[in-house]
Amino acid sequence: AQTVTQSQPEMSVQEAETVTLSCTYDTSESNYYLFWYKQPPSRQMILVIRQEAYKQQNATENRFSVNFQKAAKSFSLKISDSQLGDTAMYFCAFMNVDAGNMLTFGGGTRLMVKP
Amino acid sequence: DTGVSQDPRHKITKRGQNVTFRCDPISEHNRLYWYRQTLGQGPEFLTYFQNEAQLEKSRLLSDRFSAERPKGSFSTLEIQRTEQGDSAMYLCASETVPGGFYEQYFGPGTRLTVT
Repeated sequence: AQTVTQSQPEMSVQEAETVTLSCTYDTSESNYYLFWYKQPPSRQMILVIRQEAYKQQNATENRFSVNFQKAAKSFSLKISDSQLGDTAMYFCAFMNVDAGNMLTFGGGTRLMVKP
Repeated sequence: DTGVSQDPRHKITKRGQNVTFRCDPISEHNRLYWYRQTLGQGPEFLTYFQNEAQLEKSRLLSDRFSAERPKGSFSTLEIQRTEQGDSAMYLCASETVPGGFYEQYFGPGTRLTVT
């Protein structure tokens, strides 16, 4: 079984600044994906960014990028030029692609972007 | 593509009553997942379907829970003899396998309150 840990229950950042959300995971699997999902208040969860475990290059999606450290089992999310619309719960998630693609989520980080 | 829909969005029931939730996935998606999210926590996997076959059930899914996807399209999740501990948000997600790039699309959820 795998576990996902997000050690920052809450964070805040000023608009236009950069913030990094932390995530660590534990697994013995070798073929997996990692994800960051965003859950805005009272709205549905959407995918922010994904990383294949076998790729060394860190994924980027516009203002969002990850720092994937496979040996350390660390997967942090960096949000650049933070916008008010980035205010949400952020969940780190693990997927074992050899076993049904079920997602294992961390406990989440509540991010508040302040004007 | 109208997204994943869930019905009802909110349900209040008395302890001991039965409840049923419905999920309509994105039409071409062959995989459908159910997750449960308690307040302030990340979602936890309950069960998933590949077309109409239920392929995996979590240990969280007690005998009081049953899920179906009779024609490989919409799915229902029934909870019998509800308990206060069943109060949670029930999330549905769908995915295309293979070829979906491991992205699960989430519905808005059904919030269950057991009084």
